[in-house]
Amino acid sequence: ETGVTQSPTHLIKTRGQQVTLRCSSQSGHNTVSWYQQALGQGPQFIFQYYREEENGRGNFPPRFSGLQFPNYSSELNVNALELDDSALYLCASSLDRVGVMNTEAFFGQGTRLTVV
Amino acid sequence: AQSVTQLDSQVPVFEEAPVELRCNYSSSVSVYLFWYVQYPNQGLQLLLKYLSGSTLVESINGFEAEFNKSQTSFHLRKPSVHISDTAEYFCAVNTNTGKLIFGQGTTLQVKP
Repeated sequence: ETGVTQSPTHLIKTRGQQVTLRCSSQSGHNTVSWYQQALGQGPQFIFQYYREEENGRGNFPPRFSGLQFPNYSSELNVNALELDDSALYLCASSLDRVGVMNTEAFFGQGTRLTVV
Repeated sequence: AQSVTQLDSQVPVFEEAPVELRCNYSSSVSVYLFWYVQYPNQGLQLLLKYLSGSTLVESINGFEAEFNKSQTSFHLRKPSVHISDTAEYFCAVNTNTGKLIFGQGTTLQVKP
């Protein structure tokens, strides 16, 4: 089975621009979660998508939005980029919603976003 | 609100020495506990997890962690570390809120 893959691996954007990050979930997984990991910090939960619907959101402004497609792949969109958005963005897929017993999240390699 | 505290930001240790990475959590509800490892420029890999049952859980590469409910801790230990164990280690809790809550991470530096 294929693992979680993210694209691109690295990205440089200018403040004020918009960016789209992509994630292909592991085969058979219907849930995708996104996390932001700033340098030297632990990952912070952005949101989770379950069967194409948002199913939980962290403390991030509305300019962070997402989509999940019928094949359960996902996109993270960030509008009006700020310098503080520079981080590693991690996608994780799981068989069910994180929080349902025994659900394990499998992480991708991440996308390193630099905002200049 | 749930939170996770990793008490040491960096832990330097010599090869073949024992190591303990400390993790405490706060939660008013039952939690599931995890340790993830992150090698440089990579994503997170699950090291081990506590869901229920035996409070001592082990990984395939010699790490173990013990869930202590009274002390709200989930410390990670290894009796003899290897150079290849050098990485960032994250403790995380999972409740029924749909998210993993991570600690700040501990950098394990294994020296020859």
